[in-house]
Amino acid sequence: SQQGEEDPQALSIQEGENATMNCSYKTSINNLQWYRQNSGRGLVHLILIRSNEREKHSGRLRVTLDTSKKSSSLLITASRAADTASYFCATDSGNTPLVFGKGTRLSVIA
Amino acid sequence: DVKVTQSSRYLVKRTGEKVFLECVQDMDHENMFWYRQDPGLGLRLIYFSYDVKMKEKGDIPEGYSVSREKKERFSLILESASTNQTSMYLCASSPRGPGDNEQFFGPGTRLTVL
Repeated sequence: SQQGEEDPQALSIQEGENATMNCSYKTSINNLQWYRQNSGRGLVHLILIRSNEREKHSGRLRVTLDTSKKSSSLLITASRAADTASYFCATDSGNTPLVFGKGTRLSVIA
Repeated sequence: DVKVTQSSRYLVKRTGEKVFLECVQDMDHENMFWYRQDPGLGLRLIYFSYDVKMKEKGDIPEGYSVSREKKERFSLILESASTNQTSMYLCASSPRGPGDNEQFFGPGTRLTVL
């Protein structure tokens, strides 16, 4: 069962610009996580935000969470060509495994 | 450096063959997961295990089985491979709760069934 849905499906930006991806989900959560996947590889955990948090930072990443709207956004500032990857949100509802969305494909053009 | 390894990066099998995909983690994690990833469909959970000898069906278990005889190893078995099982297979592990647990992924196995 797919809970998180990322938007947009694909995003293409110039190096140096900011990239924003959104995730919407359906049921209540304990936390929401963002993962990155380089082409043909496994996923790598980026950041986790708990349901009682509204914003979290990690380096050039900023994640927000709005539980009233059941949505989250991932902002990558000053993007680099190396940020080109697919980004997935995953929701943790406590008693079930993480549920992943379908991902946003980000292309950063040098 | 924590690690999840998968037995093969690329695998080509024939229809009807029995296929074993192996996953090993060195982090002493209790939880292990098998996903398949297809274009436009994202990650879909096949099976997971919260402890040795335990297994739970995920969203798409049909045509698959699993084995968890040791804590560090979780095997995915395709009893009789079919062409619609051509996919990228991803293994992951995580520690047992409580707490906020991220999943650690292997590099994936791209399986082609001819």
